[in-house]
Amino acid sequence: EAEVAQSPRYKITEKSQAVAFWCDPISGHATLYWYRQILGQGPELLVQFQDESVVDDSQLPKDRFSAERLKGVDSTLKIQPAELGDSAMYLCASSQGLSLRSYEQYFGPGTRLTVT
Amino acid sequence: DAKTTQPPSMDCAEGRAANLPCNHSTISGNEYVYWYRQIHSQGPQYIIHGLKNNETNEMASLIITEDRKSSTLILPHATLRDTAVYYCIVLPTGTASKLTFGTGTRLQVTL
Repeated sequence: EAEVAQSPRYKITEKSQAVAFWCDPISGHATLYWYRQILGQGPELLVQFQDESVVDDSQLPKDRFSAERLKGVDSTLKIQPAELGDSAMYLCASSQGLSLRSYEQYFGPGTRLTVT
Repeated sequence: DAKTTQPPSMDCAEGRAANLPCNHSTISGNEYVYWYRQIHSQGPQYIIHGLKNNETNEMASLIITEDRKSSTLILPHATLRDTAVYYCIVLPTGTASKLTFGTGTRLQVTL
């Protein structure tokens, strides 16, 4: 069964450093999402792509976070500089996009970021 | 999107049915009820969704009240692997919509 791939699985970085996460969605999925999940809370959407275009980045802290999906396939989420409060699980998800099954999002295993 | 309310935690004995409630009293006519779950250290997983009729799939059953203000997710024979946080989410379908997760219900299945 196809899966969403994410790397790295774990990342420890010092504050003020730059960090990047990578996501490869399920082949053919047009919509890609990045969520952040703080311990004890539900995931919160950071950014949503439809193909290579950003559909929703209203919750993305744009002064330090950036996301791209240049060819409409895989995606990178970057934080620069990292802050202590960025410690969280970063989840990538994908869905078929504008189709009858667009409600079903498939999540990757996530990247657990610890900022020291 | 309509707000949902779920109990923070529930226990269930293995082999028994787990009934997880969700209140969504402000749901509107075009909004569906979705359920996802998140097993520890994994990403969330889609379980089931419905509009107004009861739904069943290989994972669970979803019972939605006639006034659509509440619903119940039923795991008919819970196993230890069903221990997870279960999220009830309400949103329109037909488009690729973002999921707004609350804090969910932590279901603990015990021997």
